[in-house]
Amino acid sequence: AQSVSQHNHHVILSEAASLELGCNYSYGGTVNLFWYVQYPGQHLQLLLKYFSGDPLVKGIKGFEAEFIKSKFSFNLRKPSVQWSDTAEYFCAVKPSGTYKYIFGTGTRLKVLA
Amino acid sequence: DAMVIQNPRYQVTQFGKPVTLSCSQTLNHNVMYWYQQKSSQAPKLLFHYYDKDFNNEADTPDNFQSRRPNTSFCFLDIRSPGLGDAAMYLCATSNALLAGGADEQFFGPGTRLTVL
Repeated sequence: AQSVSQHNHHVILSEAASLELGCNYSYGGTVNLFWYVQYPGQHLQLLLKYFSGDPLVKGIKGFEAEFIKSKFSFNLRKPSVQWSDTAEYFCAVKPSGTYKYIFGTGTRLKVLA
Repeated sequence: DAMVIQNPRYQVTQFGKPVTLSCSQTLNHNVMYWYQQKSSQAPKLLFHYYDKDFNNEADTPDNFQSRRPNTSFCFLDIRSPGLGDAAMYLCATSNALLAGGADEQFFGPGTRLTVL
């Protein structure tokens, strides 16, 4: 079955630390990849997405993600986190040709001021 | 602002008492989704509509039904809620003109359902 794994469930960082959140998926075909963020008390919103081309994708608020096809991975990075990045981050995969999105279990990030 | 609206934000029901959650959108998107999300778990897709075409997930219990009377509205009916149905229910939309396109989803704020 198709699945998405986010190995880090809880991450605590100090401000200015670098961030990398892992995301791996199991699906052999072409996929579209997404990272969503949910700030406390708010709804899920798109951080960035990959559909084709340059495997390094830049999103909002200084986030980026790299698609490594051979590793079935789409890891999220930010060089220097801020307190306002405290949120839950979800990786999602949409197999091409479908309308279904498969979500990971999420990573709760807490940034200490 | 174009958006996805869910009502109510909090719903309390009794065991076995039917409940309906609603979702509306001003985005004019052709696909609407319902997810169930329990604490520390991934959002679980229950079903989606592509226009009026209903698509049920194989593991969605029969207790869960959905209606989409028009493009803007979609309802989730839980016929006989059990304690295990307590969760956050998320509605989302996407504009999927081409299935291969990287259409993102737009989410509502969710309805938190409590079953007593």
